[in-house]
Order: sequence, then structure tokens, then C-alpha cells
Amino acid sequence: DARVTQTPRHKVTEMGQEVTMRCQPILGHNTVFWYRQTMMQGLELLAYFRNRAPLDDSGMPKDRFSAEMPDATLATLKIQPSEPRDSAVYFCASGLVHMSGGLSGYTFGSGTRLTVV
Amino acid sequence: DQQVKQNSPSLSVQEGRISILNCDYTNSMFDYFLWYKKYPAEGPTFLISISSIKDKNEDGRFTVFLNKSAKHLSLHIVPSQPGDSAVYFCAASLYNQGGKLIFGQGTELSVKP
Repeated sequence: DARVTQTPRHKVTEMGQEVTMRCQPILGHNTVFWYRQTMMQGLELLAYFRNRAPLDDSGMPKDRFSAEMPDATLATLKIQPSEPRDSAVYFCASGLVHMSGGLSGYTFGSGTRLTVV
Repeated sequence: DQQVKQNSPSLSVQEGRISILNCDYTNSMFDYFLWYKKYPAEGPTFLISISSIKDKNEDGRFTVFLNKSAKHLSLHIVPSQPGDSAVYFCAASLYNQGGKLIFGQGTELSVKP
């Protein structure tokens, strides 16, 4: 069964520290999404990539968050410096967007639970 | 600005009865709607979807209804089972935005035996 792999599953860090979350999308998928789950907002889209190029990162606080895809098998979400309000579950998802514009195979990873103390 | 809203944070239903989860949206340009189910410590998984050209889509015990004039969709689960207990998210997308999904806040469904 193809799946999206996220590491680490849990991360506890102190305020001010750098946090890096990793995602391995499903092989063959050309689009990768980063979401954050909070109680108030539900699942917020932070950023997404098509063929490794960033398409939209308007959901991210630009001063501290950055997202990259150094290669087709790895997407990273970095927070520097981290703050207690960043505590949430961060999900990566990947899918295949076709030439027609349709999307298939949209699959979420199990998430990284981040706690900033 | 929450474009997709689930106004009920939780819902409790007796096993065997119908569960109805509701979702409202504000952007009339959305052309595809989805429901996802999420268990604790797992990522959301796709449940059922509907295109804006339809008003109903059924898959086994799950039916999604779309009312475009009211900008409202609902998920019906009949009959509800204890294994359906999870958080349900509705999501909406625009075809020309290549897979970008806008999610609601989620509704936690509890099905009691």
C-alpha cells in the first residue's frame, strides 16, 4: 500500500529552537501539500508544491516558516524560531494532478505532533 | 476568513440511527466537495466526494447531498456504527487550483452502542 511518510511523529521542543518536519510523498505524485490542524481552524493549508516548485505558501507565517522540496522524494517544513502557538499537528499530503487539472490519489500522512514549550 | 464551515464541533448518535453532518461554504466558485474521516493519531482519509454538477452521491452507507443555492452540503451515514466514531472534515476545491483543498474545522462523531 503506497503511503505518505512523515517524520518525526512527535516532537517536543523549547521555544526559540528550530524545528524541521519531513515528508516523503508517494512515488509518482507531483503535488505535495502541508496542512496544520488546530482546534479553531481545523485543517489549514500552509503551502503546496507542484513538481517541486512552490505554488502557494500564503498560508504560512513567512517570518518563521519555510517549506522546500530538495528532491522529489522529500518535502520539508521548517520553523525557526518556534513559538508555543506553533503547537499543532502538521500533515503532509500528496497527490497526482493531471494535465486536465483533475487530482487523484490525494493521500495524507499520519502527521507530526509538535509541542513547543 | 473561513470559506468552509462546520458549525457543529461534535455529534452523538445511537448505533443503527442516522448521522447527519453538515457543512456550509461561502465561495460559489467551488466545484468539488469532499468528506474526509480522521481517527486519532492518523491522517485524514478520503470518504466520499461530489461534483458541483450533482446534488447527491451515494456509496454504501454514506451519502453526500449538495444544495448549491444554500451553499450547503451534508453527509448522511445510515445506519451508524460504533466504528464510524471519528472526526469528519468537509473540504472544497476549485478545479483550476490543481488540488488545493479548503477544509472545515471538523465535527467529532460519536456513535454509541
